[in-house]
Amino acid sequence: QLQLQESGPGLVKPSETLSLTCTVSGGSISSSSYYWGWIRQPPGKGLEWIGSIYYSGSTYYNPSLKSRVTISVDTSKNQFSLKLSSVTAADTAVYYCAINNQYYYYYYMDVWGKGTTVTVSS
Amino acid sequence: DIQMTQSPSSLSASVGDRVTITCRASQSISSYLNWYQQKPGKAPKLLIYAASSLQSGVPSRFSGSGSGTDFTLTISSLQPEDFATYYCQQSYSTPQDSFGQGTKLEIK
Repeated sequence: QLQLQESGPGLVKPSETLSLTCTVSGGSISSSSYYWGWIRQPPGKGLEWIGSIYYSGSTYYNPSLKSRVTISVDTSKNQFSLKLSSVTAADTAVYYCAINNQYYYYYYMDVWGKGTTVTVSS
Repeated sequence: DIQMTQSPSSLSASVGDRVTITCRASQSISSYLNWYQQKPGKAPKLLIYAASSLQSGVPSRFSGSGSGTDFTLTISSLQPEDFATYYCQQSYSTPQDSFGQGTKLEIK
C-alpha cells in the first residue's frame, strides 16, 4: 500500500526558494500508472493544484505558478520534490503531495501525504 | 483552463438530513469528476471518482451523479462524521487538474 510523506523547512524567508520532498513508501515511484503531484492549501482557503510529474520525468505545472515551480523525481531515493522560487506571504500554505492514480481513462488522487505547513516570513 | 464552481459555499444541516452539493464545470468534462472530503487538519479523502463510482471503503450513503458540466454529490442521511468540507475536482485535463472552491457542511 503506497504511502507518502512530505518533508522540508517549515519557515522560508520572502524572495527565497521553498523546497519540499515527498518520500514514497510501499511501492516504486517508477510506476507507469501514476502522476505524482503537489497541491497546496492556504490557511482557511481551498485546494490549489501546483503541478505533477510523470514517472518518465514529464512535468506539468499550474499556469499561474509555472514561472516559479520546478518538480523533479529521484528514483534512487523513491522521492519527488517541489521547488517554488521567489516566495511571498501568499505562498504560505499546507503543502500536500498526492498520487494521481488511474482506472481506465479516469484519474483520481487516492493517496495523499499528511501535509506540511510552510510559512513565508522574515 | 477548466474552472470548477461549487454551490453552495456553505451549508447547514442536521443529522439524518439528505444533502446535495453541486459542482459545475466551465466546459464539458464528460464524467471526469471526483469528489473529496476534508476534515480540519487532515488531508483530503477521495469519496467518488468518475462522477459516480464509490471509492472502496466509503459508505454507501455517499453518491455522485452527473456528466458534461453539471454534477452533484448527495449524502442520503447525514451522520455526525460527515460534517466537513467537500471539494470537486475535474480530471478531464489531468495532469492539469483543478478543484472547486469547496463546500463547508456544518451542523445546524
